Amino acid sequence: AQTVTQSQPEMSVQEAETVTLSCTYDTSESNYYLFWYKQPPSRQMILVIRQEAYKQQNATENRFSVNFQKAAKSFSLKISDSQLGDTAMYFCAFLKGNTPLVFGKGTRLSVIA
Amino acid sequence: DAGVIQSPRHEVTEMGQEVTLRCKPISGHDYLFWYRQTMMRGLELLIYFNNNVPIDDSGMPEDRFSAKMPNASFSTLKIQPSEPRDSAVYFCASSGILSGRALYEQYFGPGTRLTVT
Repeated sequence: AQTVTQSQPEMSVQEAETVTLSCTYDTSESNYYLFWYKQPPSRQMILVIRQEAYKQQNATENRFSVNFQKAAKSFSLKISDSQLGDTAMYFCAFLKGNTPLVFGKGTRLSVIA
Repeated sequence: DAGVIQSPRHEVTEMGQEVTLRCKPISGHDYLFWYRQTMMRGLELLIYFNNNVPIDDSGMPEDRFSAKMPNASFSTLKIQPSEPRDSAVYFCASSGILSGRALYEQYFGPGTRLTVT
């Protein structure tokens, strides 16, 4: 079974600064997907970014980028130019095809003005 | 595209009562997932369907929980009788092949916050 570990329960960052959230996972699969979801106080689960394991290039979505290290089974999220609206819980998730997502416990990020 | 729709958004009920949560997936999606979020256990799968057929219900806590998907546009999660430990946020998510959308990506509804007193 796959497991996802987020070792930082809470983090904070100053507005306009850069922050990196860590995620490691364990799997014996070679083809899979990794995601970061954002959950603001509204509790809506919002997909931030996705990475296909077969792609070596790191995914980027505007201010959000990932550092995907397949051999190390590491998938960190970098948020550049942090904004107050980035304050939320962030969940790392693993997916093998059309199966349920496996989530980490989450990292609570606070952006400070 | 209206996204995944869940109702009700909030539900408060007394222990022993029946609770029914509803979900309408994104049109054209053929996978539907029910997840539960609690402080203690985080986000965990309860059950998922493919083409209206349950594929894996191993996450359903016990016989008090049941889920159905009578057609491609509607699913229910029922708890009978409800207990205080069922208090949680219940999410429905769907996925499938849509023009311009990536395969496997799961889209979540807004969730139902259930409180059982």
